[in-house]
Amino acid sequence: GAGVSQSPSNKVTEKGKDVELRCDPISGHTALYWYRQSLGQGLEFLIYFQGNSAPDKSGLPSDRFSAERTGGSVSTLTIQRTQQEDSAVYLCASSPQTGTADTQYFGPGTRLTVL
Amino acid sequence: DQQVKQNSPSLSVQEGRISILNCDYTNSMFDYFLWYKKYPAEGPTFLISISSIKDKNEDGRFTVFLNKSAKHLSLHIVPSQPGDSAVYFCAAYSTSGTYKYIFGTGTRLKVLA
Repeated sequence: GAGVSQSPSNKVTEKGKDVELRCDPISGHTALYWYRQSLGQGLEFLIYFQGNSAPDKSGLPSDRFSAERTGGSVSTLTIQRTQQEDSAVYLCASSPQTGTADTQYFGPGTRLTVL
Repeated sequence: DQQVKQNSPSLSVQEGRISILNCDYTNSMFDYFLWYKKYPAEGPTFLISISSIKDKNEDGRFTVFLNKSAKHLSLHIVPSQPGDSAVYFCAAYSTSGTYKYIFGTGTRLKVLA
């Protein structure tokens, strides 16, 4: 596929459990972003990866959230000890490079529901 | 602090008429602005952008206007079509900043046939 893919598309979990969300960016895109969209809210920036540089984690809401990007490609967002307020759609986007305000290409998102 | 604001959560327009979606920003460091369109259960898709060196950018039925002094941009869709019904997000970016896109809360547009 040519686009950004995310898995799973839906995840229902119980409060206190850990979850992992996966993002496969467009091949060759060096920049990768994670966002969260809670009900009735805009897209909230979480974390940004660019090549081999240290990620910008300034948007992560708590230390229960972490993300990795292996080999400059696939990224995993991990939420530990999930809380009900973590329920949201988690969106991943990639872009070719930074510094030139490139268009971001978004995946379809993962809808997370914490019971 | 909401740096990018879309004050109208929803808008209804008759087919064939003009749709105007508004966006305000507070940070004068933003110098690049984008509009995204989002259908249910899909990720946002890029629609149109504008650099701060311009005050207008047009692409088919879509035109974005930028008023830097007012820190305001708007998206015009003419003529509106039922397929344009979606949520529209504006986003702002600083090319000299930390490469973070700041998104508004979105406006849900409904085009009535």
